[in-house]
Amino acid sequence: DVQMTQSPSSLSASVGDRVTITCRASQSISSFLNWYQQKPGNAPNLLIYTAYNLQTGVPSRFSGSGSGTDFTLTISSLQPEDFATYFCQQSYSTPYSFGQGTRLEIK
Amino acid sequence: QLMQSGAEVKKPGASVKVSCKASGDTVTGYYMHWVRQAPGQGLEWMGWMNPHSGTNYAQKFRGRVTMTRDTSVNTAYMELSSLRSDDTAVYYCAKARTDYYYAMDVWGQGTTVTVSS
Repeated sequence: DVQMTQSPSSLSASVGDRVTITCRASQSISSFLNWYQQKPGNAPNLLIYTAYNLQTGVPSRFSGSGSGTDFTLTISSLQPEDFATYFCQQSYSTPYSFGQGTRLEIK
Repeated sequence: QLMQSGAEVKKPGASVKVSCKASGDTVTGYYMHWVRQAPGQGLEWMGWMNPHSGTNYAQKFRGRVTMTRDTSVNTAYMELSSLRSDDTAVYYCAKARTDYYYAMDVWGQGTTVTVSS
């Protein structure tokens, strides 16, 4: 099975900051990497699919990059509504594993 | 939109069947995934059902999970049997994008399943 590791596990930042979250796969997954945002008590929300494609309706301050084993999610200028937990998910092979999550908190 | 059934409390060894009713489109039009989240934990993919009623279950759940659907009521189901305490979790149904079957773009609100004696 493909193992997904996110870093950092938690992150404190301020409104307006540029933030980068990293996801590493235990083997090459090409570009089959998706990113989700989850707020407490809510279901996850798709942000990015296949590494860099922005889901419809997601603000352009979110972007994704990477291929192979190393991927990043970048938020160019943090907004108050962005404080949440972020998960990466590989869709290269089943089981479609998720990273452990990165909790983004207000500094 | 996906609307899931209400919370369940089950005893160890029992089964649970969670429903996921689609509105606005047909449940046969896309891949439907099921994902669970244990309390305070991350997300765990359980499997999918495709438009042709094919299924793909995570090895961890094979033999215990069954995904079905009833087109007459536009509803998908996930049944998990031989429940254990570590099956306590929120269970989500999630439909995939129609142009990429393995990214989940619409999620149900979640169903809490508690397994306790």
